[in-house]
Amino acid sequence: GAGVSQSPSNKVTEKGKDVELRCDPISGHTALYWYRQRLGQGLEFLIYFQGNSAPDKSGLPSDRFSAERTGESVSTLTIQRTQQEDSAVYLCASSPQGGLTYEQYFGPGTRLTVT
Amino acid sequence: EDQVTQSPEALRLQEGESSSLNCSYTVSGLRGLFWYRQDPGKGPEFLFTLYSAGEEKEKERLKATLTKKESFLHITAPKPEDSATYLCAVQANNFNKFYFGSGTKLNVKP
Repeated sequence: GAGVSQSPSNKVTEKGKDVELRCDPISGHTALYWYRQRLGQGLEFLIYFQGNSAPDKSGLPSDRFSAERTGESVSTLTIQRTQQEDSAVYLCASSPQGGLTYEQYFGPGTRLTVT
Repeated sequence: EDQVTQSPEALRLQEGESSSLNCSYTVSGLRGLFWYRQDPGKGPEFLFTLYSAGEEKEKERLKATLTKKESFLHITAPKPEDSATYLCAVQANNFNKFYFGSGTKLNVKP
């Protein structure tokens, strides 16, 4: 079946512009996660959704970052007034049921470059 | 503070040369420890979940083990196609967060 998809695959934007990153999880997966991966580093947790609610937003680096999810489907991560330090790969993952130890299935990521 | 440390950062092996990757963790209540493989330009691919000390899991040339403080990913007789970055992650008792290590980049030469 279809895996997690993300769009766009690459995004180049100018400093100060807003960007929206999209994630389509695996159908039926109730949990959805966003991560940031800087070059050569591990994954940094950003936010977690259970259904369309976000019980844990503690990883969002600043109030320029926000995310929403429609039902148990698509999620968007929005970064306002982008800065150069926002340049990274943004990964989305979905899981059959959040809160339990179910493995996460990752999308290919969106590579964001802020010039 | 919850954290995950992986070593070595990079590992070069000859084909057939077995070795181990280490993941040490500090977490307030371990729900699960996960191993992922990540190829360049792709998202991580799930390999194993371990839940309690003493547990072991195997898949082809890979075997993962878990103690109360660390996990090992043993690679037996590796092949060039095993070359990738291997990531370790822990899920703490607060369920929602996963803490990832920075990975071990494995290069297996033919």
